[in-house]
Amino acid sequence: GAGVSQSPSNKVTEKGKDVELRCDPISGHTALYWYRQSLGQGLEFLIYFQGNSAPDKSGLPSDRFSAERTGGSVSTLTIQRTQQEDSAVYLCASSPPGLAGGVEQYFGPGTRLTVT
Amino acid sequence: GENVEQHPSTLSVQEGDSAVIKCTYSDSASNYFPWYKQELGKRPQLIIDIRSNVGEKKDQRIAVTLNKTAKHFSLHITETQPEDSAVYFCAAIRLQAQLWSRSNSGGYQKVTFGIGTKLQVIP
Repeated sequence: GAGVSQSPSNKVTEKGKDVELRCDPISGHTALYWYRQSLGQGLEFLIYFQGNSAPDKSGLPSDRFSAERTGGSVSTLTIQRTQQEDSAVYLCASSPPGLAGGVEQYFGPGTRLTVT
Repeated sequence: GENVEQHPSTLSVQEGDSAVIKCTYSDSASNYFPWYKQELGKRPQLIIDIRSNVGEKKDQRIAVTLNKTAKHFSLHITETQPEDSAVYFCAAIRLQAQLWSRSNSGGYQKVTFGIGTKLQVIP
């Protein structure tokens, strides 16, 4: 079946511009996560949604970063006034409902953001 | 907050040898520990996981051990093959069921990943 999809796959933007990244989770998955992966680095947790609610926003690096999820499905990560240090691959993942077996995170292909 | 340390950052082994990657965590409330494999240019994929009520789990050539007292867990790959070459990430996750939720919609998760280990298997 269809996996997690993200768009765009690549985004080049000028410093100071706003960008919006989109994540389409697997249908029926209630949990959705955003991560940032800088070149050669690990996965930096940004934000987690359970349904449309974000119980944990502690990973957002600054107030320039925001995310929302509507209809328990699509999520958008918005970065305002982008800076060069925002350049990274932004990964989205989703998990099915249920704690017993539904904790595996299925990752999308990522959006490679380059801020010039 | 939670801190997950992963060692080594890079690891080279000869084909057929074993590889061991270790992680330590700080949050004693963490109760789920997955390992993800990320091949070059691809997305991370779960290869094995372990819950805090289990000490060891094995799946063919891959095994994970957990020491809750010491707060560390390890990934063991035996009989390594060139296709095992990738970056491996550990994670420590705190799962908390939302008691107010009547539906089994999943619980709150606090997720922290390690920095990753680049494994190279030399043919």
